[in-house]
Amino acid sequence: DAGVIQSPRHEVTEMGQEVTLRCKLISGHNSLFWYRQTMMRGLELLIYFNNNVPIDDSGMPEDRFSAKMPNASFSTLKIQPSEPRDSAVYFCASRSGTYGYTFGSGTRLTVV
Amino acid sequence: AQSVSQHNHHVILSEAASLELGCNYSYGGTVNLFWYVQYPGQHLQLLLKYFSGDPLVKGIKGFEAEFIKSKFSFNLRKPSVQWSDTAEYFCAVSNAGNMLTFGGGTRLMVKP
Repeated sequence: DAGVIQSPRHEVTEMGQEVTLRCKLISGHNSLFWYRQTMMRGLELLIYFNNNVPIDDSGMPEDRFSAKMPNASFSTLKIQPSEPRDSAVYFCASRSGTYGYTFGSGTRLTVV
Repeated sequence: AQSVSQHNHHVILSEAASLELGCNYSYGGTVNLFWYVQYPGQHLQLLLKYFSGDPLVKGIKGFEAEFIKSKFSFNLRKPSVQWSDTAEYFCAVSNAGNMLTFGGGTRLMVKP
């Protein structure tokens, strides 16, 4: 049990469709990070939040990507419209206290 | 900006062989260092971390790492690997802003 819960675990969608990835943080954690993992680029930080506020979104590849953290325990990453090159595993991680990071199980996205 | 380099992309060892995976980082300030392991199809799990104090850090499953500040290195070691250590290993660095940056990963295959 990773503690950080991501859904769905797998998503297959057609190019052009909207995709929403979800992440539920561990209670009491105050920072959230979205990462994308591909064979070519490894793990890339997309965006991170502290206390629900986006701090650094410089890793978000394009305007097609957006992330929200409507409350302290939940975040979404949306891709609209999706493209085949967005296919990857998307991880979220939360942090509490001094540098204690916990990762979710990831969402494997395939855009066909 | 901080960066992390893992020079060994693929490592193949026989069981009982000793392991050392290289990790170098670049960042001018105070850093915290981590090693994560990702077993096939699973999420990232923390092996060990260095915040301060003794530069030789012991982690789970018999792994250890040594922080050498003068070399900007944080190499991962294990005296005797097992088949179950087959996984991908990621070195990561976190700065004062708490942004976690990963290296490109090293795929370890242990032959039985």
